Amino acid sequence: KAGVTQTPRYLIKTRGQQVTLSCSPISGHRSVSWYQQTPGQGLQFLFEYFSETQRNKGNFPGRFSGRQFSNSRSEMNVSTLELGDSALYLCASSLWEQGGLEAFFGQGTRLTVV
Amino acid sequence: DAKTTQPNSMESNEEEPVHLPCNHSTISGTDYIHWYRQLPSQGPEYVIHGLTSNVNNRMASLAIAEDRKSSTLILHRATLRDAAVYYCIGDTGRRALTFGSGTRLQVQP
Repeated sequence: KAGVTQTPRYLIKTRGQQVTLSCSPISGHRSVSWYQQTPGQGLQFLFEYFSETQRNKGNFPGRFSGRQFSNSRSEMNVSTLELGDSALYLCASSLWEQGGLEAFFGQGTRLTVV
Repeated sequence: DAKTTQPNSMESNEEEPVHLPCNHSTISGTDYIHWYRQLPSQGPEYVIHGLTSNVNNRMASLAIAEDRKSSTLILHRATLRDAAVYYCIGDTGRRALTFGSGTRLQVQP
């Protein structure tokens, strides 16, 4: 079966712009989480959705937002991009209501802010 | 969060068993212990998880100490493809995985 699909794979944006990243979870998975990975901070949790509801949010500014649709697909948005937002953004889906259990990750979207 | 402590790096030879340790002394009685790994240029990959008893799957075995303050991920026969960063995570029930710096495993041919 198809894995977690993230689009686009690579993105270059200018400071001040906004960006929307997309994630299609594994079929049947209702929990979708987002993570940011940078060389300095490692993997950090952004937020988690289950059945269109955000259940948990990490320690990121309000410029980072997300949503989940009724088909479990999810998007995350970053507004007013800063150079420090350059990172690999990873989406993970899980079959379990608990979310972090047996999470399957996508390949990520590499965002570069110039 | 349940803080976990892992060695920064480990080395193994191909086709030999590898034991990756993890200390999680602050873990609560209902926290799962998760292991993920990240191969170069890829997203993290689920390996195994457990609560109290030892667990096996096609990828690895997880041995959990009786007091649950530590666990060991066992790769029975390391291959070059197992070279990755291995993360041990103590779940807090927050539905979020808190990744530490993990153990970088090098596998020598």
